[in-house]
Formats: sequence, C-alpha cells, structure tokens
Amino acid sequence: GAVVSQHPSWVICKSGTSVKIECRSLDFQATTMFWYRQFPKQSLMLMATSNEGSKATYEQGVEKDKFLINHASLTLSTLTVTSAHPEDSSFYICSASGIKNEQFFGPGTRLTVL
Amino acid sequence: DAKTTQPPSMDCAEGRAANLPCNHSTISGNEYVYWYRQIHSQGPQYIIHGLKNNETNEMASLIITEDRKSSTLILPHATLRDTAVYYCIVRVAGGNAGNMLTFGGGTRLMVKP
Repeated sequence: GAVVSQHPSWVICKSGTSVKIECRSLDFQATTMFWYRQFPKQSLMLMATSNEGSKATYEQGVEKDKFLINHASLTLSTLTVTSAHPEDSSFYICSASGIKNEQFFGPGTRLTVL
Repeated sequence: DAKTTQPPSMDCAEGRAANLPCNHSTISGNEYVYWYRQIHSQGPQYIIHGLKNNETNEMASLIITEDRKSSTLILPHATLRDTAVYYCIVRVAGGNAGNMLTFGGGTRLMVKP
C-alpha cells in the first residue's frame, strides 16, 4: 500500500507551547487528509478532515482555533496544537486518501504535555 | 455509515486460525465492509475489504454472509505478530474521497504461544 509518514514520532513539550505535527504522503497525491486522536485504551476519534487548498472541516467538539490544520499541498498536511495543555497529551494519527478513496495511515505521533 | 458490533477481545493459539466476527445489520446496499488492525502504538493498517463476495489476500480472508448483515475476518495461521486491535468498519467506497472512517471499539486479539 501507499506510504504515509508523520513527524515527529513523539514529542514532549511544556504546557502553553505550540507543537506542529507533519503528515506526508510519500508516493501518492492525497486529495484528502484526516486527523485522528487516540487516548490510551480507546479507539481512534476523528478530529478533522482537510482537503488540499481549502479549510479543514472539524468534528463536533474539536476546537478549530486550538488545533490548526493546514493542507497546503497534495502531499503535506500539518496539525498545530496551540497552547498545549496536559489534557492534549494523546496519540495523534493522520491518514491520507487519494483518487481511489483508499485511506492509508501514518505511524502516529505521541504528544506528551508536561 | 452503518454501525458495527464486535466482541471486545479474543484469544487465539499461535498457528491456529483466528476468526473475528463483526455484525453490521444496518448495512446499506452501497456500503463495503473494511477491516483494519492497529498494533500497539502504531497507526492502523489496512487488511481487506469487500462488498458481498468473499475476498482473500495475502493477509486474510473475508467472509460476508449472504444477507450482508455480518462478516468474519479469518487469519489462517495466526502468529504472535498478529496480536492487535482489529476494527471492522462499514463505509461507502469510491466517489467522494472525503468519506472518513468511523472506528468503533474493535476486537483486541491476543495470539498466545
């Protein structure tokens, strides 16, 4: 299957700082990218859907001003957690979808906010 | 997307077949059954999908009942590396690439030596 990468794979930051997570589709053009969040022992929860060149669509309960998503190209989407707090500590996973509508997932980014 | 129901956990002996059931009684005619798995601290991995016919690939087989209200994922010879959470998801395939995946609780498969 297609390859999706995420960077960084893990990050530890202080409360109040902002963290940027990158999601890249390495061998295909991703018209749509999805961002999920997963807390320990829970399932993946969709945060937002982003289409290249347009604003992201956020799921109910997800603050768009706190979780900034940019999908500036067909191979890169970024998620910025602004003013991070300990409750934002989680496993963040992106997925990318191309013209065939299959979804390929990145390896995830573990965020720990102290 | 139709809701799915899976047992929360299952055990399987190494080398034996693992049969993971999924109920999707409200599935629509244009919805496919997808299976993904997630190994601890990794992103989900696509396994297989099907509409109504049984499907097989190098990873697994998918058996869908004739009324399409349930399906079974079969790992023919489970190994320790197959220990993971397996998610059964029903969604429309093709067309709008904006169709997201809705993850339920999944089945935590533990393969034991």
